Amino acid sequence: NAGVTQTPKFRILKIGQSMTLQCAQDMNHNYMYWYRQDPGMGLKLIYYSVGAGITDKGEVPNGYNVSRSTTEDFPLRLELAAPSQTSVYFCASSQGAPGEKLFFGSGTQLSVL
Amino acid sequence: KQEVTQIPAALSVPEGENLVLNCSFTDSAIYNLQWFRQDPGKGLTSLLLIQSSQREQTSGRLNASLDKSSGRSTLYIAASQPGDSATYLCAVFSGGYNKLIFGAGTRLAVHP
Repeated sequence: NAGVTQTPKFRILKIGQSMTLQCAQDMNHNYMYWYRQDPGMGLKLIYYSVGAGITDKGEVPNGYNVSRSTTEDFPLRLELAAPSQTSVYFCASSQGAPGEKLFFGSGTQLSVL
Repeated sequence: KQEVTQIPAALSVPEGENLVLNCSFTDSAIYNLQWFRQDPGKGLTSLLLIQSSQREQTSGRLNASLDKSSGRSTLYIAASQPGDSATYLCAVFSGGYNKLIFGAGTRLAVHP
């Protein structure tokens, strides 16, 4: 039982490069989320999806894009990486509404230099 | 605006102690509150979820209480063990904000 799988675990980008963080879940969850966690801070919601084909912005969406073509996958795209995007990124999923129990991936540590 | 605060930011205790972690929130109109555990380099694991109508939830040595009117929750860990060393985060869900709002966490170290 894999749960929520994120790749890659670590990545270093140069300023202006682009990349996609992958997230897949095998629990048939409707809701999926992308968070970022900065040192000493709580998690901030970047984007979320309530089902295939439906996405919406969270608190800090600028500089990111998402898509949800299937129930299982929810990739996060960084365009024109900036040092302010250095962070740890977590993907999560839940069966129902955002207040239900969340299941998290193990995270991607991203550095933009 | 909903804000979640966790005190203390860090805590170090000897093995065997009973301890309490605190979480406070500014808007009492919440649907539920979750406590999470985060190990270094890992994702978050949901420990307990308390609905707004509940006063507490228990799982093994963990007990979480909720006082919605005062905007507070506590996580009680009984007979702490070195394996309990981790960061513990709380998060509240309010319909008005339609998202989970996280505290910054309490980093716990339990030493033998």
